[in-house]
Amino acid sequence: QVQLVESGRSVVRPGTSLRLSCAASGFTFNTYGLHWVRQAPGKGLEWLAVISSHGDRKYYADSVKGRFTISRDNSKNTLFLQMNSLGDEDTALYYCVRDQGYCTATGCDNVGGYFDYWGQGILVTVSS
Amino acid sequence: EIVMTQSPATLSVSLGERATLSCRASQSVTNSLAWYQQKPGQAPRLVIYGASTRATGIPARFSGSGSGTEFTLTINSLQSEDFALYYCQQYYNWPPWTFGQGTRVEIK
Repeated sequence: QVQLVESGRSVVRPGTSLRLSCAASGFTFNTYGLHWVRQAPGKGLEWLAVISSHGDRKYYADSVKGRFTISRDNSKNTLFLQMNSLGDEDTALYYCVRDQGYCTATGCDNVGGYFDYWGQGILVTVSS
Repeated sequence: EIVMTQSPATLSVSLGERATLSCRASQSVTNSLAWYQQKPGQAPRLVIYGASTRATGIPARFSGSGSGTEFTLTINSLQSEDFALYYCQQYYNWPPWTFGQGTRVEIK
C-alpha cells in the first residue's frame, strides 16, 4: 500500500534552517509529482510546493518562495523540503502529499491533479 | 489565485441525518474540485475528486455535486465516524493549489 513517512528535526530556533524528508513506498515513485502542504496549529491547509516526477519542474507558494526548496531523490524514493530563515509563522504540521496527475486528450501530466495520498505529517516548531 | 470559500464554518447535525456542505470558487474551476476529510490528530483523506467521484473506500453515503464555481458535499445518514473537518480544494488553476477554510461537522 502507498506510504509516505515524513521525518526531520522537530524544534528549531528562529532564523535557522531545517530539512524535512519524506520516504515513500508502495508505488512507482518516479512517476508521480509530490507536494508539501502545511497546517498551522488550529488552522487550515496551506499548499507550499510541488515537484514533478523527474524534478524538472518546481512551483512554490509566495509565502515560501526564496526560502524553501523542494527536491527529490528518485534512487532513494525520497522527497525533501529544505527550509531556510525559519520564523514563528512556519510553525506547523508539514505533510508530504502525492499528486494523482491528470490526462487530457493531448497527453498526461504528473503534476496538476488532486492529492490522493497524504503522509501522517511532522510537526515543526520554531521557537526560541 | 483562486479563492475557495466554504460554508458554513460549523455544521451541527444529528446522527442519521443529512449534512450539506458548500464550497464556492472565486472563478470557474470546471469540475477540478476535491473534498478531503480530516479527523483530529489525523492527516486529511481524499473523499471526492472530479467534483463528484468518490475516492477508493469512501462509503456511498458521501456524494459530491456541482461544477464551475458552486459545489456541494452531501453526507447522507451521518455516522459517528463522519464527524470531522472537511476541506474543498481546487486543482484547475495552479499554482497555487488552494483550499477552502474548512467546515466542521459536529454532533448536534
